Amino acid sequence: GESVGLHLPTLSVQEGDNSIINCAYSNSASDYFIWYKQESGKGPQFIIDIRSNMDKRQGQRATVLLNKTVKHLSLQIAATQPGDSAVYFCADFSDSGGYQKVTFGTGTKLQVIP
Amino acid sequence: EAQVTQNPRYLITVTGKKLTVTCSQNMNHEYMSWYRQDPGLGLRQIYYSMNVEVTDKGDVPEGYKVSRKEKRNFPLILESPSPNQTSLYFCASSFTARDIQYFGAGTRLSVL
Repeated sequence: GESVGLHLPTLSVQEGDNSIINCAYSNSASDYFIWYKQESGKGPQFIIDIRSNMDKRQGQRATVLLNKTVKHLSLQIAATQPGDSAVYFCADFSDSGGYQKVTFGTGTKLQVIP
Repeated sequence: EAQVTQNPRYLITVTGKKLTVTCSQNMNHEYMSWYRQDPGLGLRQIYYSMNVEVTDKGDVPEGYKVSRKEKRNFPLILESPSPNQTSLYFCASSFTARDIQYFGAGTRLSVL
């Protein structure tokens, strides 16, 4: 079935290095994508989003890249800090025949090594 | 403060005892949604509502009911809970479905 998945379940990164978290989605009708961060004991929080008419969107330290050809999404975090340690989810949105579907990936845990 | 409020945060119950988890948002959002989060499965959508009196099934609706009588509230009802509904539940809201969702803090439910 349709799904949004991640290549790496756990990623360990040295503090100060850049982190890259990847996501593969399977629904070619998806036209909106979001990255969320979930800290322990909390609900997911928005990091950055991108619409399908864009290839790249840059935030303060977060950048999202979208490759529609291979249905791949990535989140890049520059100068990773200990506070970035969390689980990261990608999510995609599709509207098919009035059925508006939001699909989340299974998550990648980012561990920042001080 | 803009927020999504879920209650209770923790709940232990027994099989078959009806329960309701409340969700309220103060951002005048039209779209609200319920998810369950299980290890290794991420967040799966249970039900969503695009506006008052408009609800639809998500990926895993079996065993759940919802209602949307007012814009701000979207309760999740388990008429006859079973142990396989033991999970972490999140309510979320956004202006539209194609928009950033704001999540509550979660409700951890254990069904014995």
